[in-house]
Amino acid sequence: GAVVSQHPSWVICKSGTSVKIECRSLDFQATTMFWYRQFPKQSLMLMATSNEGSKATYEQGVEKDKFLINHASLTLSTLTVTSAHPEDSSFYICSARLPGGGGEQYFGPGTRLTVT
Amino acid sequence: GENVEQHPSTLSVQEGDSAVIKCTYSDSASNYFPWYKQELGKGPQLIIDIRSNVGEKKDQRIAVTLNKTAKHFSLHITETQPEDSAVYFCAATTDNYGQNFVFGPGTRLSVLP
Repeated sequence: GAVVSQHPSWVICKSGTSVKIECRSLDFQATTMFWYRQFPKQSLMLMATSNEGSKATYEQGVEKDKFLINHASLTLSTLTVTSAHPEDSSFYICSARLPGGGGEQYFGPGTRLTVT
Repeated sequence: GENVEQHPSTLSVQEGDSAVIKCTYSDSASNYFPWYKQELGKGPQLIIDIRSNVGEKKDQRIAVTLNKTAKHFSLHITETQPEDSAVYFCAATTDNYGQNFVFGPGTRLSVLP
C-alpha cells in the first residue's frame, strides 16, 4: 500500500515552454501532497505544499507564478513549470501524506526535467 | 526553525558488517522522525520511522533509536548487503500532520562485497 506515482519520469523541453508533471496517490486519498526539488548529490528541498481544493502554500523563495500547482482531486496534484529555463533543470519529486494524522509521507519516483 | 544534521556524509562498510547513521535535530518539539532510502534516479522510500514517545523501533535488519534528551536519532543496519547501497536521509517534524519535514543532508552508504 501507499504507492505514489509520477508522470512523466523524465522530460526534455525547450527553453520558454511549459511542462506539466502529475503526481498520483494510487491506493489512498491524499488531501495533502508536497512538491520537492532535488539537485545532484543534495538533499530534498520543499517547494510547496498542495492541499486538495485550496491554493498551494509555497516555501520562501519559490516563485508561485513559475511553479503552478493544482490539487484538483484527492488523488492527483500537478506541477506546471512555466516558461522553463535551463536553471529549472532538476529532479522534481512529489510526496503524499497518508491520511489519519500519522504524518507519514510517501514519495513518488521523481521526474527528471531537462531544459535545453 | 528546525535544523537537522546528519553524519557521516559517506560511509563504506564490508558486506555483513553493521552501519550506523546519526542525525541530530535542534527543535525539542519535533515528534516524528522518518528515515528514507534513495537509490540513484529514484524517489525516496520510507524504510522506518519513530515517534517521540518511543525509544527504539526495529524492523528485521533495520532499527532506529531516539534520544530525546540529547536530540539525536540513529539508523542501524545490521548484516549489510550490497543492495543496501544508497543515499539515506533522515527527517524531523513537529507536525503530526506530516508537514514541515526538515531533511538531513543525506548519507551515501556503500556496501562493499
